[in-house]
Amino acid sequence: NAGVTQTPKFRVLKTGQSMTLLCAQDMNHEYMYWYRQDPGMGLRLIHYSVGEGTTAKGEVPDGYNVSRLKKQNFLLGLESAAPSQTSVYFCASRRGQVEDGYTFGSGTRLTVV
Amino acid sequence: GENVEQHPSTLSVQEGDSAVIKCTYSDSASNYFPWYKQELGKRPQLIIDIRSNVGEKKDQRIAVTLNKTAKHFSLHITETQPEDSAVYFCAASQPGTYKYIFGTGTRLKVLA
Repeated sequence: NAGVTQTPKFRVLKTGQSMTLLCAQDMNHEYMYWYRQDPGMGLRLIHYSVGEGTTAKGEVPDGYNVSRLKKQNFLLGLESAAPSQTSVYFCASRRGQVEDGYTFGSGTRLTVV
Repeated sequence: GENVEQHPSTLSVQEGDSAVIKCTYSDSASNYFPWYKQELGKRPQLIIDIRSNVGEKKDQRIAVTLNKTAKHFSLHITETQPEDSAVYFCAASQPGTYKYIFGTGTRLKVLA
């Protein structure tokens, strides 16, 4: 049981480039989330999904797109990267009840130059 | 929407002393409040949580208290140890929203 796996772990992008971050979970969790973590700002929700084929906007969705074509995978896309998107990105998943708690991935450190 | 404020942003305590981290939330409908610990370079991990129908919950050296009237909840760590050094995040969740809103984090340093 791998839990929640994020790829890649590190990436450097040039301004204007695009990329996709992959989150995969093998726990059959319904809900999946993408957060970004910046110093002094905590964890801010970018987008989330409540089931296969669904997505919803979080607190800071601008500049990002997501897709959940398969229940186990949640993809985060940056179409045209900007330096303001330099951050550590965490994916998380959980089962159906709110008190089940999140299982986080190990994070992706993205630098946009 | 929900907003969660967390204080202090940094906290230094001597080993063996107690540490208290406080969070306030804005939406009285919030009913679930987890706390996460993030060690340096690691992923956040759930350490304790509390539902709105409970005033206090303990697990060994850690405890969480909830005051629904004042809309604040606190994490208490007693007999702190160097391995308690980490960033701690509080969060709040409302019924039917499927997501947690996190506070901005507290960096706890336990000095030996």
